[in-house]
Amino acid sequence: DTEVTQTPKHLVMGMTNKKSLKCEQHMGHRAMYWYKQKAKKPPELMFVYSYEKLSINESVPSRFSPECPNSSLLNLHLHALQPEDSALYLCASSQGGGRERLMNTEAFFGQGTRLTVV
Amino acid sequence: TQLLEQSPQFLSIQEGENLTVYCNSSSVFSSLQWYRQEPGEGPVLLVTVVTGGEVKKLKRLTFQFGDARKDSSLHITAAQPGDTGLYLCAGRRTGKLIFGQGTTLQVKP
Repeated sequence: DTEVTQTPKHLVMGMTNKKSLKCEQHMGHRAMYWYKQKAKKPPELMFVYSYEKLSINESVPSRFSPECPNSSLLNLHLHALQPEDSALYLCASSQGGGRERLMNTEAFFGQGTRLTVV
Repeated sequence: TQLLEQSPQFLSIQEGENLTVYCNSSSVFSSLQWYRQEPGEGPVLLVTVVTGGEVKKLKRLTFQFGDARKDSSLHITAAQPGDTGLYLCAGRRTGKLIFGQGTTLQVKP
């Protein structure tokens, strides 16, 4: 099973709403990632979790709040978003967790959540 | 400054033509990965190249890692409409997986 599952697939939310994106993997991977992708652009890294601890935060605004409840699950909590936050949000996972172990490991991506902020 | 430079960024060709996409860097990478992404979907891993000079084939796709491990190329032979998508090269730097700008390929029937 090389699947990363993201829910929901589509989400429309108002600027005052609170919502959460969910990601799940059962490959035993110990690193999980959130990426943001705008149309025709490459994915941009937001957060990295390694062994359920936040290891990288790419200066993401606090209206995005990640959470890793256990080694298989990754959430992204959204609050007071802006229309420019509309994008495809991608979750990924890979083996290992230490910085050196990650060097040659492959990342597997979910299908993404298409988020529209109105 | 983009750590991984991909070229071309857009490519529109007829079915049956050959094409090459390049991924270049001034930095050495221990490995590079190639992904293909269709609209509204997540990137799908095609291949990882690890050894300098390595060549890997995946049906009509040929991937090469430069001898100095600073660049890679993807060659598609006899492109088909099903090859249409965004092609991304990626490499790891300080624990992060970073991407090139991507190459949007359109193959017309």
